[in-house]
Amino acid sequence: AQSVTQPDIHITVSEGASLELRCNYSYGATPYLFWYVQSPGQGLQLLLKYFSGDTLVQGIKGFEAEFKRSQSSFNLRKPSVHWSDAAEYFCAVGSGYSTLTFGKGTMLLVSP
Amino acid sequence: NAGVTQTPKFQVLKTGQSMTLQCAQDMNHNSMYWYRQDPGMGLRLIYYSASEGTTDKGEVPNGYNVSRLNKREFSLRLESAAPSQTSVYFCASWDRTEAFFGQGTRLTVV
Repeated sequence: AQSVTQPDIHITVSEGASLELRCNYSYGATPYLFWYVQSPGQGLQLLLKYFSGDTLVQGIKGFEAEFKRSQSSFNLRKPSVHWSDAAEYFCAVGSGYSTLTFGKGTMLLVSP
Repeated sequence: NAGVTQTPKFQVLKTGQSMTLQCAQDMNHNSMYWYRQDPGMGLRLIYYSASEGTTDKGEVPNGYNVSRLNKREFSLRLESAAPSQTSVYFCASWDRTEAFFGQGTRLTVV
């Protein structure tokens, strides 16, 4: 069965510092991988996605993620965090032939 | 282009009451999903519909039923609400490359 692990429940980062959110997945075939962001009381917004090709993908709001097949990971990064990035971030795995499975989320707090 | 529309946005039910959450998408997608979101649990799949006329159980289907009324609409029904069903419910439409989410329904069962 497919699964996603986000090891960090909460992360606190100073404004202007770099960010990396971890995601590990389990999937039997070539996965589609996603990062979504959710602001309080809102729905989910897609940040970026990976299907194939270049393993470093660029997303909206200055985010990027790198797919590492050997480590079954798809970590999200941002070089300089802004206060408006405070939100909950979800990694998800799926494909055209399966359902979409989410991790439990990582809450990002940004300190001044 | 409205995307995915869920109604209602908020609802309070008494234990044992029934209700239906409505979801409609205007993107002509075949697949639609219902998730529930609880603190620390992420989004868990309740039911999904891969195409019009088909529905399948997800990870947490107990206490729920669904209807894929047509290609646009996918409803979620709670026949006898329980406090354990207090949650935020999200409907999503999936085009096999991206899931598009509604704004959610915050349901409280007292």
